[in-house]
Order: sequence, then structure tokens, then C-alpha cells
Amino acid sequence: NAGVTQTPKFQVLKTGQSMTLQCAQDMNHNSMYWYRQDPGMGLRLIYYSASEGTTDKGEVPNGYNVSRLNKREFSLRLESAAPSQTSVYFCASSVTGPWDGYTFGSGTRLTVV
Amino acid sequence: GENVEQHPSTLSVQEGDSAVIKCTYSDSASNYFPWYKQELGKGPQLIIDIRSNVGEKKDQRIAVTLNKTAKHFSLHITETQPEDSAVYFCAATRGRAGGTSYGKLTFGQGTILTVHP
Repeated sequence: NAGVTQTPKFQVLKTGQSMTLQCAQDMNHNSMYWYRQDPGMGLRLIYYSASEGTTDKGEVPNGYNVSRLNKREFSLRLESAAPSQTSVYFCASSVTGPWDGYTFGSGTRLTVV
Repeated sequence: GENVEQHPSTLSVQEGDSAVIKCTYSDSASNYFPWYKQELGKGPQLIIDIRSNVGEKKDQRIAVTLNKTAKHFSLHITETQPEDSAVYFCAATRGRAGGTSYGKLTFGQGTILTVHP
């Protein structure tokens, strides 16, 4: 049972480049989330998808887009990367919401130079 | 929206001592308060949670207390062991009937706990 799988694990981008972070879960969870983790700032919600076919903005959505491709997959896209987007990105899923407990992936460390 | 403050940012203890991490929250409608543990190079993992109709919850060496009047909650780890060394995050959210905050978990800034053998 893989849980939540994120790819890639590491990435270096040049300013202005685009990329998509992939996330897939095999637990039949309805809700999926993207967070970014920065030192001293905890985990901040970028976007979430309460169920297949729906997405909503979180606390820090600017500069990002998401796609809930199907129930299993939730991708995060950076259209024009900026140094301020250097961070560790975590995908998480839950049965229906935070109260069910999140299962996190192992993260993607992104550096924008 | 919800704002969660967590203290201390770093905590160093000797093996066998107790460790306490405290969090305050701003939204009086929040009613679910989980704690996550993040080991080096891994994603956070849920270790314990508490809901607003409960004042205290224990699970072996860890316990969480909640004071809704003061809007704060704490994580207590007794008889600490080196494997307890990690980053700990508190979080808060409204429940299913939480209106616009539905589905959003707000995290504290994290506490780096180091347990020295």
C-alpha cells in the first residue's frame, strides 16, 4: 500500500520556467490538498480539492494552479516559477476532510534560481 | 480566518524528561485540533487529535489538553526517547458545518524537539 506518492522528489528550476508536481493516492480518499512548508512558517495550504471535480483556493494560491485529474490524482502547476516559490511541497489526502486525519506524501523539494 | 501560534520553536530535553508544546488559536468556532510529527525527510504524520467536546486525551506517552475558554491546547510527551526527536505541528479547523472554513486545516509554525540520550 503506497499511500500518497509525489513526484519528483527534487527539482531545480530557473526563474520563469514552468513545471507540474504530481500527486497520487491509492486509499480511495475523496479530499486532497497541496501545502508548502517554509522555515518558521509551518505548513500553508495552497489549494485543496474536497472531492473529485472540485478545487478551492487555500491561504497562498497566487502563482499556482491545480487539476484534480480523477479521484486518485491531484497535480500542482507553477506556470512561471519565481524564487519566492522555493519551498518543500507536500501533497496530502483524507477520507472526507481534516477531521479524518491527513496522509501526507514525502514531499518535493523545489529550488527556483 | 484561523490563526494558530505555536511555542516554543525549538525544545531540547534530556532522555526521560517531559516535553510540552503549546498552541493558541483565534477562531472560536474551531473544534478539531490534531498534532502531527514530522521526521527528517518525511511528510508529517498524525499522532494524536482532540475534539472540542473533550478536555484531555491520552495515548501511551503522549497526551493533549484543550482549554476552549482560553483557546489554547498543548501536547505533552512523557518519558521522552531519542526517537521522539522530530518537528511537531499543531493545527486547528472547524468541523463539517464550519461554513467558509470547511475543509481547511491551519497549522502552527512547528516545534523542533531534540531529545538528548
